[in-house]
Parts: sequence; C-alpha cells; structure tokens
Amino acid sequence: DSGVTQTPKHLITATGQRVTLRCSPRSGDLSVYWYQQSLDQGLQFLIQYYNGEERAKGNILERFSAQQFPDLHSELNLSSLELGDSALYFCASSVGTNYPYEQYFGPGTRLTVT
Amino acid sequence: GQQLNQSPQSMFIQEGEDVSMNCTSSSIFNTWLWYKQEPGEGPVLLIALYKAGELTSNGRLTAQFGITRKDSFLNISASIPSDVGIYFCAATQGGSEKLVFGKGTKLTVNP
Repeated sequence: DSGVTQTPKHLITATGQRVTLRCSPRSGDLSVYWYQQSLDQGLQFLIQYYNGEERAKGNILERFSAQQFPDLHSELNLSSLELGDSALYFCASSVGTNYPYEQYFGPGTRLTVT
Repeated sequence: GQQLNQSPQSMFIQEGEDVSMNCTSSSIFNTWLWYKQEPGEGPVLLIALYKAGELTSNGRLTAQFGITRKDSFLNISASIPSDVGIYFCAATQGGSEKLVFGKGTKLTVNP
C-alpha cells in the first residue's frame, strides 16, 4: 500500500459525459501528479500540482482539468468524453518539488467510455 | 519528445534464473527510477537512482544509473513466481519532476 488513495476504482460512462476522479496523496506529500495509462501510449504525464498550485503540464487535453484543494487532495475532471479517453488514470504523490523525485502511485481509476 | 527505449518487451524465464532489462535514451536524464506494476494495481517504486554510475540494490534487485546518464539497467537475481509483472523504467530531465516512462518489460516466471 503506497498510501495514495484514488476513487472510484472503476467508472463506466457514455460519450459526451463528464466525470471527476479523486486522489488523496500520502500523508505529508505536497505534490500530486496525474498520469494516463493506455495500451498504445503507455504511461503519460498529464499535470502536476504542488501545495494547491499548478506546477507543470504535460499531454493534457483542453477537455481535462485538475485542481488541488487546501487539504491537498486533488481532482481530475474529464469532460466531453470520447471513446479514446478510456484508460487507466493514476495519481502519484511526492514530498515536494525538489530532489528526491520519488513518486508513489495510487491504485488507479479505470475509466471506460461507451 | 523524450523517449525511453526499454528492452526486452517481454521475457519468459524459469524460476531461479537471473533477469536483466535495460532502458536507453538519446537524451540525458538526471534521475532514473524503476517501477513494477501488477495487474489491476498502480506502479510500485522499486529503486531510485540519482547519480551517474550509481549502483543500488533492493533485496534481489540491482539497478545502475549509466555513466553517460542516457541509460539504466535492472537485474533481478534468483527469480521467483511473485516477480511476475511489468517492469517500467522512468526518468526525469533537467529541473522537471514529470516522469517519462518506458513501454515496460513484461516478465513471466515459470515455476
């Protein structure tokens, strides 16, 4: 158990819908990262938050957004869903923004768009 | 963009055998990490490497940060059935904390 929790475990929804994925980092960790894992693209970095502020952006679509709340939990919002958005979404956390860069992953949310 | 080339893509070995996998890139990275992922689970951090040439062990696992900073390898000695899973290399570059991942090595261990 990494100490990172994610809900829900599974999510099935229809195209065009909007969903919210939730992540709670390990106790004491200030940085939260979101990754997407698909069969063809592998693990891809989406976005990072540090202590409530956006820190870095990766290959995140404009239809996707995220935020980190004062209690440090984070939410990833996916809207206007398309079939190609079906994937595993992982949240990871780390202590801060400096060395060491060890990130600990949650169990993931499997999103299926039908 | 940045790319980590991980090989082999898959391995089928007998219990007790040693395993070696590696990750290479045309770019320089300043941190290398190795993760293991089992079905239905998130990646689990195995080893983190921070200095070129660094050799680090974690039980039966040993990993090295290549001297050119463009590669890393992971060895597993005396494999056991619970070593089954997908092993990913990951790395960070410059001042960025985002992890770039390899495509993974799927390990199957026959008892």
